[in-house]
Amino acid sequence: KNEVEQSPQNLTAQEGEFITINCSYSVGISALHWLQQHPGGGIVSLFMLSSGKKKHGRLIATINIQEKHSSLHITASHPRDSAVYICAVSRNAGGTSYGKLTFGQGTILTVHP
Amino acid sequence: NAGVTQTPKFRILKIGQSMTLQCTQDMNHNYMYWYRQDPGMGLKLIYYSVGAGITDKGEVPNGYNVSRSTTEDFPLRLELAAPSQTSVYFCASSYPARSGGGTDTQYFGPGTRLTVL
Repeated sequence: KNEVEQSPQNLTAQEGEFITINCSYSVGISALHWLQQHPGGGIVSLFMLSSGKKKHGRLIATINIQEKHSSLHITASHPRDSAVYICAVSRNAGGTSYGKLTFGQGTILTVHP
Repeated sequence: NAGVTQTPKFRILKIGQSMTLQCTQDMNHNYMYWYRQDPGMGLKLIYYSVGAGITDKGEVPNGYNVSRSTTEDFPLRLELAAPSQTSVYFCASSYPARSGGGTDTQYFGPGTRLTVL
């Protein structure tokens, strides 16, 4: 079983819909990252969080440390949100992890006009 | 700032050939990483570096070597290319975590698509 699991693997939505992507992990972590990979291949960091909730524009990320679960929400989705969304964790190894990340397999999101 | 740059963007190698994937960052980041991304799989860490002269293995280091002679550059060397090394390679960099253990935001290069035939 992968240490970081995302669901769903594929998600299709109509423009304007509210979208949720889930991430569960099985290890102790110091932080969780949400990344976006565009069709052209480039990867950008959306959020890094270790507790609570963060918001940036139409994107909201939440994390529940006790349940080892995080969600990425997109409000009022748009075709330009079509991308692969990747969850990654920095493990809490009792000392510094040097920023090493363990990745989920990604969720392919397609938003139709 | 150019951020993280990688060259080449694409490359086709024959089995047994060698090559170096270049990675440069201009953000004065201490930490640098090499990942590979295979279709349908999550990114895997190949090697990482916490500063000039210091490197260490990640999850999938076999068949690769790295060096870090400067803060800016972190080249990845493939000595004897094999079809299993066909992948997209990403370089990334970050500052050390701001508060003990942990991580900071990672900045990724555009990737190098490598095919070994």
